[in-house]
Amino acid sequence: AQKITQTQPGMFVQEKEAVTLDCTYDTSDPSYGLFWYKQPSSGEMIFLIYQGSYDQQNATEGRYSLNFQKARKSANLVISASQLGDSAMYFCAMCPYNQGGKLIFGQGTELSVKP
Amino acid sequence: DADVTQTPRNRITKTGKRIMLECSQTKGHDRMYWYRQDPGLGLRLIYYSFDVKDINKGEISDGYSVSRQAQAKFSLSLESAIPNQTALYFCATSPRTDSSYEQYFGPGTRLTVT
Repeated sequence: AQKITQTQPGMFVQEKEAVTLDCTYDTSDPSYGLFWYKQPSSGEMIFLIYQGSYDQQNATEGRYSLNFQKARKSANLVISASQLGDSAMYFCAMCPYNQGGKLIFGQGTELSVKP
Repeated sequence: DADVTQTPRNRITKTGKRIMLECSQTKGHDRMYWYRQDPGLGLRLIYYSFDVKDINKGEISDGYSVSRQAQAKFSLSLESAIPNQTALYFCATSPRTDSSYEQYFGPGTRLTVT
């Protein structure tokens, strides 16, 4: 079964500190993509970062990095130097490539950044 | 202008009514998707379309139907709305040739069925 698990319903972090949001996945497909999306209180889905299953290097996009450990089937999101505007829901998602781009989402982690 | 638009943005309707949610995109993508999000949960796939003649059911298609009127338009219909279809609905698009399969989301439609 294809599944994404985010075990942290809520997280707190102090402004300017780094935070790691956990994501584990389960798939039998050899080729897949892993994504993180941010959903602020306004509701829109904002793409943050992508990692392909065959990528050798961990993906980075500005303050976001994806800690990809294929053997453990984990794809944790690291946000460095947290800002107040980072407070939002964060969703991990997986796309098995043989299924035409369908995204499978985890339940999300609500991140609160404290001043 | 936004690349993926959804209308209406908010809608309140009564049980048993038929309602259509519309999605338009200017990105030129072949693939379009409809998801729903329930409070406190991730998104779940309702229907998806790889092109105008290729429409497929997703994880939770019961009670919904779709129409791909053109490459740029993908509509979701609730034939007879019920209260547990109250949710936030997202349309998304993806290019066929992009190996990353990144999906571009519309702003969402907040639907309430009373």
